[in-house]
Amino acid sequence: AQKITQTQPGMFVQEKEAVTLDCTYDTSDPSYGLFWYKQPSSGEMIFLIYQGSYDQQNATEGRYSLNFQKARKSANLVISASQLGDSAMYFCATRAGNQFYFGTGTSLTVIP
Amino acid sequence: DGGITQSPKYLFRKEGQNVTLSCEQNLNHDAMYWYRQDPGQGLRLIYYSQIVNDFQKGDIAEGYSVSREKKESFPLTVTSAQKNPTAFYLCASSIRAFTDTQYFGPGTRLTVL
Repeated sequence: AQKITQTQPGMFVQEKEAVTLDCTYDTSDPSYGLFWYKQPSSGEMIFLIYQGSYDQQNATEGRYSLNFQKARKSANLVISASQLGDSAMYFCATRAGNQFYFGTGTSLTVIP
Repeated sequence: DGGITQSPKYLFRKEGQNVTLSCEQNLNHDAMYWYRQDPGQGLRLIYYSQIVNDFQKGDIAEGYSVSREKKESFPLTVTSAQKNPTAFYLCASSIRAFTDTQYFGPGTRLTVL
């Protein structure tokens, strides 16, 4: 069964605007973690933000925040004040049991 | 600086050859992982190691082999038995297996000629 779904293959955002990248997950494990990674054209996967399933507050890291809606099994990434350097692939992942599951990614392009 | 290094960045293999991809980390992490990424797809787990001298198969281990003789090093060998090895290979590590954030190296792009 597919564990992570990213429905937006490509997104465009104007520089300095905010953008939301969607991610839904499917797990029956009561304890799990949600991650977002950025993959620029160089290929390296860069860790952005983490949310634990028991965390009461949404995680934030600088311009990144994770909109965690547990009942909807949704973990959307919000990037505020987009910069040209934000153009990249973004992957949502979940840790459940003895495995990590990655989505297929969303390509974000920031327009000057 | 602490981090994960992978070499080479680009690798070309002739059919029938075995090749070894290097992965080294100085983060003092116990767990290390190898993933394969194909265009338009997410990452798929090849092998992982929770501790030195131990490793487990992931979802797509056929045609690959690994070793973990040192905590810092987790090389991946792509054997001639792997029928479609052209892909981007990413190595990762975490403090403990499957409970902590994974940090990734810069990747190796393997092309079969």
